[in-house]
Amino acid sequence: AQSVTQLDSQVPVFEEAPVELRCNYSSSVSVYLFWYVQYPNQGLQLLLKYLSGSTLVKGINGFEAEFNKSQTSFHLRKPSVHISDTAEYFCAVMVPGGKLIFGQGTELSVKP
Amino acid sequence: DTAVSQTPKYLVTQMGNDKSIKCEQNLGHDTMYWYKQDSKKFLKIMFSYNNKELIINETVPNRFSPKSPDKAHLNLHINSLELGDSAVYFCASSPPGREGTGELFFGEGSRLTVL
Repeated sequence: AQSVTQLDSQVPVFEEAPVELRCNYSSSVSVYLFWYVQYPNQGLQLLLKYLSGSTLVKGINGFEAEFNKSQTSFHLRKPSVHISDTAEYFCAVMVPGGKLIFGQGTELSVKP
Repeated sequence: DTAVSQTPKYLVTQMGNDKSIKCEQNLGHDTMYWYKQDSKKFLKIMFSYNNKELIINETVPNRFSPKSPDKAHLNLHINSLELGDSAVYFCASSPPGREGTGELFFGEGSRLTVL
């Protein structure tokens, strides 16, 4: 069965520092991978997605992620974070039938 | 002009009651979903409808009954509420032809508290 593991439940970081949020997946078939962001008291919105092609995917708000098939990872990165990036981040994989399976979430807390 | 809107945003009720949450999208999408987010922020799909037809029905107690009167609306009715039903319920939709690409548009959520 396909699953997603987010390795860090909380990531505190100072403003303007780089950040990496880690995500590993398990799958025996081709995967579609996603990162969603949830700001406080809001719904989720899509940050970026990998369906095929280039393994480096760029998303909104300066985020990017790299699909690494050998390491079954899809880590999210940003070179310099802002206070406004404080949110919950979810990695997700699409399984056959069109369902999205979400990871447990990583709380990114950006401090001044 | 909210894209995916849910009502109510907050709902506090007693165990045993029946309640409904409504969802409407004005994006012209064909597929709509209900997700449940528990207190640990874990998100799990409950149901999915495509053009009013049920296509995903996860292992959800039959106290939960979705209804889609048209492709712009997907309501969730819950009978005999239990403490464990307390959660945030998210409605989402996806564009035509892209149901398989994981691009979902979420509402702001409905926080249900069962006392």
